Amino acid sequence: SYVLTQPPSVSVAPGQTARITCAGNNIGRENVHWYQQKPGQAPVLVVYDDTDRPSGVPERFSGSNSGNVATLTISRVEDGDEADYYCQVWGSSGDRVIFGGGTKLTVL
Amino acid sequence: QVQLVESGGGVVQPGRSLRLSCAASGFIFSNYGMHWIRQAPGKGLEWVAVISHDGNKKYYLDSVKGRFTISRDNSKNTLYLQMNSLRTDDTAAYYCAKGWFYFDIWGQGALVTVSS
Repeated sequence: SYVLTQPPSVSVAPGQTARITCAGNNIGRENVHWYQQKPGQAPVLVVYDDTDRPSGVPERFSGSNSGNVATLTISRVEDGDEADYYCQVWGSSGDRVIFGGGTKLTVL
Repeated sequence: QVQLVESGGGVVQPGRSLRLSCAASGFIFSNYGMHWIRQAPGKGLEWVAVISHDGNKKYYLDSVKGRFTISRDNSKNTLYLQMNSLRTDDTAAYYCAKGWFYFDIWGQGALVTVSS
């Protein structure tokens, strides 16, 4: 079955750029979606279809996807960005959803 | 406003059943696919099941096939998850979510604890 691999943790200082990766076999052929989840809260969609942002999500959040790696980039990181981030695809078999294991973003 | 509200969670013994509900408001429920996604304590997100907008297509996580049933009542704007033969590893917060390929609206979650 298809597997999405994320680093367990990423740390970044305020004002710097955070990059969270999501690796999968030929993931560049899939549409990748990203969610932010803060402690005790439901996940929130921050990027969909590789690069699009829902209304209300800051432009500091952007996505890219090519080859075997998709990336969520958060520019000018703020304390409020500290959260768990999950990538997600609709499986190529067409009958299931797959999540990455999640990455905890720590703002130093 | 667009909202999903889950209910029906609780503590249940292994082997017993529970039904979760998800009440939708603020959008045309019958136009959208809907999912159930769960999260065990301290763990990541795990997709459970999906149902198409008209209820004709249903897909499940392998480990819940034959035990869980997703359904919907478009006249009541409500999504359901019937969970039978519950196991301790089904313990999780269960979220309903709107969408098909991705999820733009999530409920707040319903906690299901399976314990003797």
